[in-house]
Amino acid sequence: EPEVTQTPSHQVTQMGQEVILRCVPISNHLYFYWYRQILGQKVEFLVSFYNNEISEKSEIFDDQFSVERPDGSNFTLKIRSTKLEDSAMYFCASSEPLQGSSAFFGQGTRLTVV
Amino acid sequence: DQQVKQNSPSLSVQEGRISILNCDYTNSMFDYFLWYKKYPAEGPTFLISISSIKDKNEDGRFTVFLNKSAKHLSLHIVPSQPGDSAVYFCAAGGGGGSNYKLTFGKGTLLTVNP
Repeated sequence: EPEVTQTPSHQVTQMGQEVILRCVPISNHLYFYWYRQILGQKVEFLVSFYNNEISEKSEIFDDQFSVERPDGSNFTLKIRSTKLEDSAMYFCASSEPLQGSSAFFGQGTRLTVV
Repeated sequence: DQQVKQNSPSLSVQEGRISILNCDYTNSMFDYFLWYKKYPAEGPTFLISISSIKDKNEDGRFTVFLNKSAKHLSLHIVPSQPGDSAVYFCAAGGGGGSNYKLTFGKGTLLTVNP
């Protein structure tokens, strides 16, 4: 069964450092997303990406965040200067471009900022 | 701004009995709804969905009911099994022109006791 894969599974970084979280979406999906879940809180939408551009972003997704699809398979989330409050599970997801289609999630990257 | 609310943080049921997980929403523009199941240290796994034009969708032991006038949906699991123990997230999509992003509730931890 096709799946969304994310690397690394766990990333520890110093405050102020840049991190890149990587995702390989399901190959025939055209919509890509990043969500995050701070420990004990709900899963929150960060950004959606379609046709090589951001289609929607939340207020959480400020200037320190960026997304990119550098090649035909990878989808990355970059955090330019990490803060302690960026510590969370980051989930990548992808879906078909059909209204009502479910998003399939990766297993997540646990980001710990120290 | 909690557009999707799961008011019960936890639910405990006996194996073989029915589990009923509830979800309320405030945005009348949502036009499809999904339930995801999440185990610790894993990404959310799609379970079942329902379009706003329906009031019921069934898949094996899982049934989702939608009451649009009450802006309420529920997930019924019958019979419940210990392997169903997980956090269940209600999610809604559509939201009036939104590009397929999902808005999640905070989740309900279901524990099925043998």
